[in-house]
Amino acid sequence: GAVVSQHPSWVICKSGTSVKIECRSLDFQATTMFWYRQFPKQSLMLMATSNEGSKATYEQGVEKDKFLINHASLTLSTLTVTSAHPEDSSFYICSAVLMMNTEAFFGQGTRLTVV
Amino acid sequence: SQELEQSPQSLIVQEGKNLTINCTSSKTLYGLYWYKQKYGEGLIFLMMLQKGGEEKSHEKITAKLDEKKQQSSLHITASQPSHAGIYLCGADARGGADGLTFGKGTHLIIQP
Repeated sequence: GAVVSQHPSWVICKSGTSVKIECRSLDFQATTMFWYRQFPKQSLMLMATSNEGSKATYEQGVEKDKFLINHASLTLSTLTVTSAHPEDSSFYICSAVLMMNTEAFFGQGTRLTVV
Repeated sequence: SQELEQSPQSLIVQEGKNLTINCTSSKTLYGLYWYKQKYGEGLIFLMMLQKGGEEKSHEKITAKLDEKKQQSSLHITASQPSHAGIYLCGADARGGADGLTFGKGTHLIIQP
């Protein structure tokens, strides 16, 4: 199947700093990318939908100014956690879709720890 | 909004035994995905079901989607230690346009 690469796989940062997470579709052009968050022992929750060249659509309760999403090309979407706080510590995972009605391919995930 | 109930939450099964995990949606689904996840790691795609009554198999894992497209089951035959992990069902309500809504997962433990 298609490959989605997410980087970094883990990161530790100080409270108040910003962290950027990259999600790349390596062998296909993704029309849409999604960002999910998973808190310990909970399910994955959709944070935002990202379409190339347009503004991301955020789910209710997700602060768009805190979680900046840039989807500059059909193969790259980035999630920047700005002014990170310990409560932002979580597992973030992206997925990419080639087109509607097809399988969503997931990245390996990024474990963010804010200290 | 789409709600997905997954059961059981956890399951301990003796190696070699069969098991079933269920996923029930509050609304008719466009598609239903099954993934396996090791806690805190990425997702491994297992199967995608889109048609009512559809059934797919991969090795010893079989997934079914009911005719109404609101309920799916994942069945593992002759379980092995490699089957241990967290199984997640994901609901697609609109052909992939809105991302997936996930169940809370089923933690499967295989006892030797």
